[in-house]
Amino acid sequence: EAQVTQNPRYLITVTGKKLTVTCSQNMNHEYMSWYRQDPGLGLRQIYYSMNVEVTDKGDVPEGYKVSRKEKRNFPLILESPSPNQTSLYFCATGRNSGGPSYEQYFGPGTRLTVT
Amino acid sequence: ELKVEQNPLFLSMQEGKNYTIYCNYSTTSDRLYWYRQDPGKSLESLFVLLSNGAVKQEGRLMASLDTKARLSTLHITAAVHDLSATYFCAGTTVYNFNKFYFGSGTKLNVKP
Repeated sequence: EAQVTQNPRYLITVTGKKLTVTCSQNMNHEYMSWYRQDPGLGLRQIYYSMNVEVTDKGDVPEGYKVSRKEKRNFPLILESPSPNQTSLYFCATGRNSGGPSYEQYFGPGTRLTVT
Repeated sequence: ELKVEQNPLFLSMQEGKNYTIYCNYSTTSDRLYWYRQDPGKSLESLFVLLSNGAVKQEGRLMASLDTKARLSTLHITAAVHDLSATYFCAGTTVYNFNKFYFGSGTKLNVKP
């Protein structure tokens, strides 16, 4: 079954304690991306990756890091989380939908609370 | 950067009625995407519109793209309760098709 998995699904942590949210896909997609969703703001892209070892900043990259060492995994790292990073996070993978465009498949989401 | 504005943000409608959600964007883009999100769930891809004049239909939903007007529409025909969800449009610019910009979403409530 084609799927995008995220772990953990829920996390409550304290300010400054490093954490990693994992994202894994079994669809062999080159493109992967991280978003955060906040009420009234829609989704905002944090980082994206076009392939292994190729990553770039989205619209709101501050306070986050990513790596893409394997095609299937794209972890999101918060080195020193702060309360303004409390949010719902989604990982997505992209299937090339014709020309330079991607149809994205989203993971189930990770709800993060930083106190 | 691409600014994406959806309207309305909230839409309450009766079953059987037609309505349109509008998605305006700020700069040159020829790729526009529509997603659906059910409460407490993830996002599901509905449509990928790749060129000016593109029109796609799935069931009671039809999406179109007018790049000259910088406008995409999602038209709902004879709404049913199962269409209740939040709908997002998203775009990329012609300069970087890897970077996505989402609208704030339109929360649709179809009353039986």
